[in-house]
Amino acid sequence: QVELVESGGDVVQPGRSLRLSCTGSGFTFSDFAIHWVRQAPGKGLEWVAFISYAGGIQYYADSVKGRFLISRDKSKNTVYLQMNSLRPEDTGVYSCARDPRFAGPGYLLQWGQGTLVTVSS
Amino acid sequence: QPVLTQPPSVSAAPGQKVTLSCSGSSSNIGRNALSWYQHLPGAAPKLIIFDNTERPSGIPDRFSGSKSATSATLGITGLQTGDEADYYCGAWDSSLNAFVFGSGTKVTVL
Repeated sequence: QVELVESGGDVVQPGRSLRLSCTGSGFTFSDFAIHWVRQAPGKGLEWVAFISYAGGIQYYADSVKGRFLISRDKSKNTVYLQMNSLRPEDTGVYSCARDPRFAGPGYLLQWGQGTLVTVSS
Repeated sequence: QPVLTQPPSVSAAPGQKVTLSCSGSSSNIGRNALSWYQHLPGAAPKLIIFDNTERPSGIPDRFSGSKSATSATLGITGLQTGDEADYYCGAWDSSLNAFVFGSGTKVTVL
């Protein structure tokens, strides 16, 4: 069964850190780039970050640049999103999605169910 | 504010056709491939169109995509109650170095 599973969501105070994980199974994980996308309550989709299939290229939304770090562990078929200096506006459901393009970001082929992050005092 | 512009909502009766628009600029739709995503309540978003016009396996041909210059369109024919969802367009923006989504269009089947 081909799937992506996110984990690590939690309730945290502003200014604290959290690390999300995205684990893939049922396909060759290293053949795919990964995006993180979030959706705040009642809002639309917002792209957060991208990492290439080999991990050498990362891109970030301006809203998280300098605070979030995306990385991947080939041995664990997992991509991480390290979120630092969290703000209330970072609250939302965070989903990962795989992208089959080798030549750069293309499209989000398959998505996980998401994990909820709540930033509140 | 989303970079791509979509109408907030469209509606039609079962069996009818709806057309959803997505407007961008030369740095996103005008330069890169557009994709469309269906987001049903409580479910993960699903890719329904990629590379402007292509359908992934399993997506019925009732869904179609087109692109012209800096705008794109998603068509849904033979509308079904199961098509009620939010639909988002998305594309890579070469100036922002970011993937940009539209604000989403809610499709209602009357």
